[in-house]
Amino acid sequence: EDQVTQSPEALRLQEGESSSLNCSYTVSGLRGLFWYRQDPGKGPEFLFTLYSAGEEKEKERLKATLTKKESFLHITAPKPEDSATYLCAVRPTGGGNKLTFGTGTQLKVEL
Amino acid sequence: EAGVAQSPRYKIIEKRQSVAFWCNPISGHATLYWYQQILGQGPKLLIQFQNNGVVDDSQLPKDRFSAERLKGVDSTLKIQPAKLEDSAVYLCASSFEGVGTEAFFGQGTRLTVV
Repeated sequence: EDQVTQSPEALRLQEGESSSLNCSYTVSGLRGLFWYRQDPGKGPEFLFTLYSAGEEKEKERLKATLTKKESFLHITAPKPEDSATYLCAVRPTGGGNKLTFGTGTQLKVEL
Repeated sequence: EAGVAQSPRYKIIEKRQSVAFWCNPISGHATLYWYQQILGQGPKLLIQFQNNGVVDDSQLPKDRFSAERLKGVDSTLKIQPAKLEDSAVYLCASSFEGVGTEAFFGQGTRLTVV
């Protein structure tokens, strides 16, 4: 069975304090790993798709990386507006376009 | 570009009542998903449509949940009768057909069953 585990569950940072969120996954075959951002009361917002180990993608202060067992979302010099829940999801081979999500990391960035 | 539209935004019903949610996907997206997100958890897929056909409904509680997608566009998700444990946010998402395409989500419908 496909599994996605995210850590930590919650993270509190000071503005400018860089850190990383972890997403560990177990799938029979990976067709894509997705990162989403979710603000309270809203649906998830797409950030990145990673397809193969060694791949990296960047967007503003966010950088996502992928290995064969896990993905990291690095946040450099975060700002309060980066506060949100970050969700990781995997799309296994042979699973249609189904996404299996982790429970998310709730990030709070304080001034 | 218009996003995924869902209605209503909020719904409060008593247990054993029925409820329906509506979704209009992004124009041109052949794939439509309904996800259930319980507070503090990640979204869980309930059903996936490819055009009019069901691709995956393995996690849909079929004794009480039903969904349809008419003419390959709009979709409705119904719960009858509702249980307390159905309290959650119901998210609709859509994507282009094809491998690796990202899904775009609507704002969701928050259902409270009392």
